[in-house]
Amino acid sequence: GESVGLHLPTLSVQEGDNSIINCAYSNSASDYFIWYKQESGKGPQFIIDIRSNMDKRQGQRVTVLLNKTVKHLSLQIAATQPGDSAVYFCAFLGTGYSTLTFGKGTMLLVSP
Amino acid sequence: DAGVIQSPRHEVTEMGQEVTLRCKPISGHNSLFWYRQTMMRGLELLIYFNNNVPIDDSGMPEDRFSAKMPNASFSTLKIQPSEPRDSAVYFCASSTDRAGGYTFGSGTRLTVV
Repeated sequence: GESVGLHLPTLSVQEGDNSIINCAYSNSASDYFIWYKQESGKGPQFIIDIRSNMDKRQGQRVTVLLNKTVKHLSLQIAATQPGDSAVYFCAFLGTGYSTLTFGKGTMLLVSP
Repeated sequence: DAGVIQSPRHEVTEMGQEVTLRCKPISGHNSLFWYRQTMMRGLELLIYFNNNVPIDDSGMPEDRFSAKMPNASFSTLKIQPSEPRDSAVYFCASSTDRAGGYTFGSGTRLTVV
Protein backbone atom coordinates (compact mmCIF):
# COMPACT_ATOMS: atom_id res chain seq x y z
CA GLY A 1 0.00 0.00 0.00
CA GLU A 2 0.96 3.61 -0.30
CA SER A 3 2.83 5.00 2.68
CA VAL A 4 1.70 8.25 4.22
CA GLY A 5 4.45 10.72 4.87
CA LEU A 6 4.68 13.28 7.60
CA HIS A 7 2.68 16.29 6.44
CA LEU A 8 4.21 19.37 7.93
CA PRO A 9 1.90 22.15 9.03
CA THR A 10 2.37 24.98 6.57
CA LEU A 11 2.05 28.70 7.10
CA SER A 12 1.78 30.80 3.95
CA VAL A 13 2.26 34.55 4.23
CA GLN A 14 2.91 37.54 2.02
CA GLU A 15 6.22 39.36 2.07
CA GLY A 16 6.12 42.06 4.72
CA ASP A 17 3.56 40.30 6.91
CA ASN A 18 4.35 39.22 10.43
CA SER A 19 4.52 35.45 10.95
CA ILE A 20 3.78 33.45 14.07
CA ILE A 21 4.85 29.83 14.35
CA ASN A 22 3.64 27.81 17.31
CA CYS A 23 4.94 24.82 19.21
CA ALA A 24 3.54 22.83 22.11
CA TYR A 25 5.61 20.73 24.47
CA SER A 26 4.50 18.14 26.96
CA ASN A 27 7.30 17.90 29.51
CA SER A 28 6.79 20.45 32.27
CA ALA A 29 10.41 19.87 33.32
CA SER A 30 11.66 21.45 30.08
CA ASP A 31 13.76 24.45 30.99
CA TYR A 32 15.53 25.49 27.80
CA PHE A 33 13.99 26.10 24.41
CA ILE A 34 15.43 26.80 20.98
CA TRP A 35 14.05 27.66 17.58
CA TYR A 36 15.85 26.33 14.51
CA LYS A 37 15.45 27.20 10.84
CA GLN A 38 16.11 24.60 8.16
CA GLU A 39 16.40 25.63 4.54
CA SER A 40 16.16 23.09 1.76
CA GLY A 41 19.31 20.98 1.50
CA LYS A 42 20.84 22.38 4.68
CA GLY A 43 21.11 21.46 8.31
CA PRO A 44 19.01 23.15 11.02
CA GLN A 45 20.35 26.56 11.96
CA PHE A 46 20.03 28.15 15.42
CA ILE A 47 17.77 31.20 15.47
CA ILE A 48 17.01 32.12 19.07
CA ASP A 49 16.74 30.51 22.48
CA ILE A 50 14.95 31.16 25.75
CA ARG A 51 15.23 29.77 29.26
CA SER A 52 12.28 28.89 31.46
CA ASN A 53 12.88 31.84 33.79
CA MET A 54 11.91 34.17 30.94
CA ASP A 55 8.69 34.57 29.00
CA LYS A 56 9.95 36.67 26.12
CA ARG A 57 13.18 37.20 24.26
CA GLN A 58 13.86 39.34 21.21
CA GLY A 59 16.41 39.06 18.47
CA GLN A 60 16.77 40.70 15.12
CA ARG A 61 13.25 40.56 13.56
CA VAL A 62 12.44 37.53 15.72
CA THR A 63 10.77 37.19 19.09
CA VAL A 64 10.25 34.02 21.09
CA LEU A 65 7.41 33.81 23.61
CA LEU A 66 7.17 31.13 26.26
CA ASN A 67 3.99 30.32 28.15
CA LYS A 68 4.87 27.72 30.74
CA THR A 69 1.32 27.53 32.08
CA VAL A 70 0.02 25.99 28.87
CA LYS A 71 3.40 24.62 27.73
CA HIS A 72 3.43 26.68 24.57
CA LEU A 73 6.25 28.29 22.63
CA SER A 74 5.95 30.66 19.70
CA LEU A 75 8.26 32.32 17.21
CA GLN A 76 7.30 35.66 15.77
CA ILE A 77 9.02 36.91 12.64
CA ALA A 78 8.50 40.56 11.81
CA ALA A 79 8.32 41.82 8.23
CA THR A 80 8.70 38.34 6.80
CA GLN A 81 10.93 38.08 3.73
CA PRO A 82 11.16 35.43 0.99
CA GLY A 83 14.47 34.37 2.51
CA ASP A 84 12.59 33.35 5.63
CA SER A 85 10.95 30.51 3.72
CA ALA A 86 12.08 27.34 5.46
CA VAL A 87 11.01 24.69 7.95
CA TYR A 88 11.10 25.90 11.54
CA PHE A 89 11.63 23.52 14.44
CA CYS A 90 11.22 24.07 18.14
CA ALA A 91 13.53 22.09 20.39
CA PHE A 92 13.57 21.71 24.14
CA LEU A 93 15.76 20.43 26.91
CA GLY A 94 14.66 19.45 30.38
CA THR A 95 16.48 19.06 33.62
CA GLY A 96 17.84 15.56 33.77
CA TYR A 97 17.89 15.33 29.98
CA SER A 98 21.15 15.42 28.10
CA THR A 99 19.89 16.12 24.60
CA LEU A 100 17.49 18.34 22.75
CA THR A 101 14.14 16.96 21.64
CA PHE A 102 12.89 18.39 18.37
CA GLY A 103 9.32 19.08 17.37
CA LYS A 104 7.96 18.00 14.00
CA GLY A 105 8.43 21.35 12.30
CA THR A 106 6.36 23.97 10.50
CA MET A 107 6.96 25.00 6.93
CA LEU A 108 6.86 28.76 6.31
CA LEU A 109 6.21 29.86 2.74
CA VAL A 110 6.67 33.54 1.97
CA SER A 111 5.29 34.91 -1.27
CA PRO A 112 6.80 38.02 -2.82
CA ASP B 1 35.42 28.47 11.67
CA ALA B 2 34.31 26.03 8.97
CA GLY B 3 31.52 24.70 11.14
CA VAL B 4 30.59 21.04 11.46
CA ILE B 5 31.86 19.19 8.41
CA GLN B 6 30.18 16.05 7.15
CA SER B 7 31.16 13.76 4.32
CA PRO B 8 30.05 12.60 1.90
CA ARG B 9 27.20 14.99 1.05
CA HIS B 10 25.44 12.30 -0.93
CA GLU B 11 25.78 8.53 -0.86
CA VAL B 12 23.99 6.02 -3.03
CA THR B 13 24.62 2.39 -2.23
CA GLU B 14 23.13 -1.01 -2.84
CA MET B 15 21.30 -2.92 -0.18
CA GLY B 16 23.67 -5.04 1.86
CA GLN B 17 26.66 -2.78 1.43
CA GLU B 18 28.49 -1.10 4.29
CA VAL B 19 28.12 2.66 4.57
CA THR B 20 30.33 4.97 6.62
CA LEU B 21 29.38 8.56 7.32
CA ARG B 22 31.95 10.99 8.68
CA CYS B 23 31.83 14.07 10.86
CA LYS B 24 34.30 16.67 12.06
CA PRO B 25 32.83 18.74 14.90
CA ILE B 26 33.69 22.34 15.66
CA SER B 27 37.02 22.61 17.45
CA GLY B 28 36.47 23.00 21.18
CA HIS B 29 32.99 21.50 21.20
CA ASN B 30 32.87 18.59 23.62
CA SER B 31 29.51 17.10 22.66
CA LEU B 32 28.65 15.43 19.37
CA PHE B 33 25.29 14.18 18.16
CA TRP B 34 24.14 12.04 15.24
CA TYR B 35 20.58 12.66 14.03
CA ARG B 36 18.54 11.05 11.27
CA GLN B 37 15.85 12.99 9.41
CA THR B 38 13.03 11.45 7.41
CA MET B 39 9.66 12.72 6.30
CA MET B 40 7.95 10.02 8.32
CA ARG B 41 9.73 10.53 11.64
CA GLY B 42 11.30 13.98 11.50
CA LEU B 43 14.58 14.52 13.35
CA GLU B 44 15.57 11.57 15.52
CA LEU B 45 18.58 11.43 17.81
CA LEU B 46 20.64 8.32 17.15
CA ILE B 47 23.57 8.72 19.54
CA TYR B 48 25.26 11.33 21.69
CA PHE B 49 28.94 11.58 22.67
CA ASN B 50 30.41 13.72 25.41
CA ASN B 51 34.19 14.08 25.58
CA ASN B 52 34.46 11.29 22.97
CA VAL B 53 32.51 8.84 25.14
CA PRO B 54 29.11 7.51 24.00
CA ILE B 55 26.56 8.65 26.57
CA ASP B 56 23.22 7.72 25.05
CA ASP B 57 22.82 5.34 22.12
CA SER B 58 19.21 4.43 22.80
CA GLY B 59 18.20 5.96 19.48
CA MET B 60 20.35 3.65 17.40
CA PRO B 61 17.76 1.62 15.51
CA GLU B 62 19.44 -1.76 15.61
CA ASP B 63 22.73 -3.59 15.68
CA ARG B 64 23.38 -2.73 12.07
CA PHE B 65 24.17 0.79 13.22
CA SER B 66 27.37 1.67 15.07
CA ALA B 67 29.14 4.93 15.87
CA LYS B 68 32.61 5.79 17.05
CA MET B 69 34.46 8.86 18.17
CA PRO B 70 38.16 7.97 18.31
CA ASN B 71 39.18 11.56 19.09
CA ALA B 72 37.73 14.99 19.68
CA SER B 73 37.85 15.95 16.02
CA PHE B 74 36.31 12.95 14.28
CA SER B 75 33.32 10.66 14.45
CA THR B 76 31.86 7.99 12.19
CA LEU B 77 28.43 6.43 11.83
CA LYS B 78 28.47 3.04 10.15
CA ILE B 79 25.60 0.99 8.78
CA GLN B 80 26.35 -2.63 7.96
CA PRO B 81 24.52 -4.09 6.14
CA SER B 82 22.51 -1.20 4.76
CA GLU B 83 18.80 -1.55 3.90
CA PRO B 84 16.46 0.61 1.79
CA ARG B 85 14.66 1.79 4.95
CA ASP B 86 17.91 3.41 6.09
CA SER B 87 17.51 5.99 3.34
CA ALA B 88 17.43 9.38 5.05
CA VAL B 89 19.46 12.50 5.69
CA TYR B 90 21.94 11.98 8.50
CA PHE B 91 23.08 15.02 10.44
CA CYS B 92 25.97 15.48 12.79
CA ALA B 93 25.87 18.31 15.32
CA SER B 94 28.20 19.55 18.02
CA SER B 95 27.93 21.82 21.04
CA THR B 96 29.97 23.13 23.93
CA ASP B 97 27.69 21.90 26.70
CA ARG B 98 24.34 20.22 27.20
CA ALA B 99 22.44 23.47 27.45
CA GLY B 100 23.94 25.15 24.43
CA GLY B 101 22.47 25.35 20.99
CA TYR B 102 23.72 22.69 18.61
CA THR B 103 25.56 23.54 15.42
CA PHE B 104 24.56 21.19 12.64
CA GLY B 105 26.49 20.06 9.63
CA SER B 106 24.99 20.10 6.14
CA GLY B 107 24.08 16.44 6.37
CA THR B 108 24.65 13.31 4.31
CA ARG B 109 21.79 12.22 2.09
CA LEU B 110 21.87 8.43 2.01
CA THR B 111 19.97 6.44 -0.57
CA VAL B 112 19.99 2.66 -0.33
CA VAL B 113 18.65 0.92 -3.42
